[in-house]
Amino acid sequence: NAGVTQTPKFQVLKTGQSMTLQCAQDMNHEYMSWYRQDPGMGLRLIHYSVGAGITDQGEVPNGYNVSRSTTEDFPLRLLSAAPSQTSVYFCASSYRRGEAFFGQGTRLTVV
Amino acid sequence: AQSVSQHNHHVILSEAASLELGCNYSYGGTVNLFWYVQYPGQHLQLLLKYFSGDPLVKGIKGFEAEFIKSKFSFNLRKPSVQWSDTAEYFCAVNANNFNKFYFGSGTKLNVKP
Repeated sequence: NAGVTQTPKFQVLKTGQSMTLQCAQDMNHEYMSWYRQDPGMGLRLIHYSVGAGITDQGEVPNGYNVSRSTTEDFPLRLLSAAPSQTSVYFCASSYRRGEAFFGQGTRLTVV
Repeated sequence: AQSVSQHNHHVILSEAASLELGCNYSYGGTVNLFWYVQYPGQHLQLLLKYFSGDPLVKGIKGFEAEFIKSKFSFNLRKPSVQWSDTAEYFCAVNANNFNKFYFGSGTKLNVKP
């Protein structure tokens, strides 16, 4: 049972480039979400989804897009990378009212 | 808006000392409460959770937490810390539709051998 799988683990982008962070879960969880982790700020919610075809914005959605075409996958797209998006990104999944299970994270640097 | 406050940002303890990390949240309805631990360079892992029932919750690795509804608190405790407990600890809440988690800013614990 793989749990939540994120790829890539590390990425360096140039300002203005776009990319997609992949997230897949094999636990049949309804809910999936993306967070960014910055020093001293905890985890901040970027986007979340309560099921296939349903997504919504979190606290810090600007500059990011998501889609959820299947229960398993929830990719996060950076449209035009900026240095302010340098962060560690975590994907998580959960059942309703259950605990969140986290992926290993993607460390993104935008230069 | 929901918020989760962790008052201790950085705690330094010697091995065998007792630990208490504070967590307060701002939401008056039904909540689920969690403590997660993040070891250096790793992802978040669940330490313990509270959904309902006994407000004293026991988790893994000897950790426990107490839910005090009147104080909107969910403090984490461990009677005797070990060097291997060095990590960052996050309190989290989900409530309302239970589709979002709100995290505190984290407490870095450094245990000296």
